[in-house]
Amino acid sequence: NAGVMQNPRHLVRRRGQEARLRCSPMKGHSHVYWYRQLPEEGLKFMVYLQKENIIDESGMPKERFSAEFPKEGPSILRIQQVVRGDSAAYFCASSPGTDIRPQHFGDGTRLSIL
Amino acid sequence: GENVEQHPSTLSVQEGDSAVIKCTYSDSASNYFPWYKQELGKGPQLIIDIRSNVGEKKDQRIAVTLNKTAKHFSLHITETQPEDSAVYFCAASRGANNLFFGTGTRLTVIP
Repeated sequence: NAGVMQNPRHLVRRRGQEARLRCSPMKGHSHVYWYRQLPEEGLKFMVYLQKENIIDESGMPKERFSAEFPKEGPSILRIQQVVRGDSAAYFCASSPGTDIRPQHFGDGTRLSIL
Repeated sequence: GENVEQHPSTLSVQEGDSAVIKCTYSDSASNYFPWYKQELGKGPQLIIDIRSNVGEKKDQRIAVTLNKTAKHFSLHITETQPEDSAVYFCAASRGANNLFFGTGTRLTVIP
C-alpha cells in the first residue's frame, strides 16, 4: 500500500507479554506517524517521529507504550505488558517533510490479545 | 484539539448515482484536508486532498469542496461503481502534524 511496509500483519500475544510492531516508511520519507484503529472506528493518532526524534507523542498512553525511529532501520512501536484493551489495528503512515505532504499508510498490524 | 465529525455513517446508492459525504472540523488553524478509502483488511488509501487556499478540487469522478468559513468539507463521487464500495474517512491537520480522522462512512454501491 503505497510502499509503507508494516510487519507483522497479524500478531497474537497473551496478556502480560510484549508486542513489537515495525514500520518501514516509503523511500525518501523521513517522517513516521502511528495510529490505532478500533473495530468500526476511525483512526486515532498516537505518535509522530522523525529519525532519532519524537516530535509529538500526545496520543500515546502514558504507560506501557513507547516508540522509536532509529537512524538505521524501521520505526518500532512497543507495547509492554499487553492487556485485552490493546487489541486493535495499528497503522503506520509516512510523509517526506515538514510542510504539507500527504501521509501514506501501510496495511497495518492487527494485534490480538488472548 | 481538533474535532472532526463525519456524516452519514452509512450510505447506499445505486450504481451510476452520486454519493456525497460531509465533514465538519473545529480548529480554524487546520489547513489540510485529505480523504481516504479503506477496504477490508487494508490500510487507508489517499484518494484526494485539498488545502485551505483552494475551494474545490476534482480528479475524474471524485471531487472535494471546502468551505473555510463554515468549517466544512465534502467528498463527491459521481457515476458510482461497485468497486467504490468501501469505508471512506475524512481528516484534517495543521501542516505536517498528525491527522484527525472522522468516524468513517460505509459506502455501498448496489449493482
